[in-house]
Amino acid sequence: AQSVAQPEDQVNVAEGNPLTVKCTYSVSGNPYLFWYVQYPNRGLQFLLKYITGDNLVKGSYGFEAEFNKSQTSFHLKKPTALVSDSALYFCAVRAKTGANNLFFGTGTRLTVIP
Amino acid sequence: EPEVTQTPSHQVTQMGQEVILRCVPISNHLYFYWYRQILGQKVEFLVSFYNNEISEKSEIFDDQFSVERPDGSNFTLKIRSTKLEDSAMYFCASRTRVEETQYFGPGTRLLVL
Repeated sequence: AQSVAQPEDQVNVAEGNPLTVKCTYSVSGNPYLFWYVQYPNRGLQFLLKYITGDNLVKGSYGFEAEFNKSQTSFHLKKPTALVSDSALYFCAVRAKTGANNLFFGTGTRLTVIP
Repeated sequence: EPEVTQTPSHQVTQMGQEVILRCVPISNHLYFYWYRQILGQKVEFLVSFYNNEISEKSEIFDDQFSVERPDGSNFTLKIRSTKLEDSAMYFCASRTRVEETQYFGPGTRLLVL
């Protein structure tokens, strides 16, 4: 079975500070991992993904994430938080083989405090 | 930049009524999906569609649900007899055959009274 855990419902960070949003996953075999962001009353916007290769992936708006196979984690990071980064962030996973639908975490609400 | 579009943005219906949610995937995409998000909960997979047939479906996607690609551009989700618990945001997504990223539409908020 595939699953994603986002252990923090809420993350607060001061503007200008680095931010981390945590994600761990469980999947049979090798994973494809994704981060999406959801702004109020909007759909899911793709941020970045890990498919293969370099464990550090860079995405939109200065976000990056590091794939750690031993810890089965894919934490989202940004060196300098902006107030406009405040949103709901979802981690998602699928296995490389088999069903190609995504399994999502419960989401983490990021609030960047001015 | 091409986007997935969905109509309507909001729909209110009475319990027991049929609803059809519409999606226009990105034009060169071949895999299509429906997901839903009940208020305050996580996004859940409903069904995937490829080559004019369902490729996977979840336990949620029971006989009350159906999908169709009636023409070359639209992809629809039909709920035959809506229940109160069908109230949710419904997202359509699509992707190409080779790129793994699923691109999501803005969603349809369905409220069943």
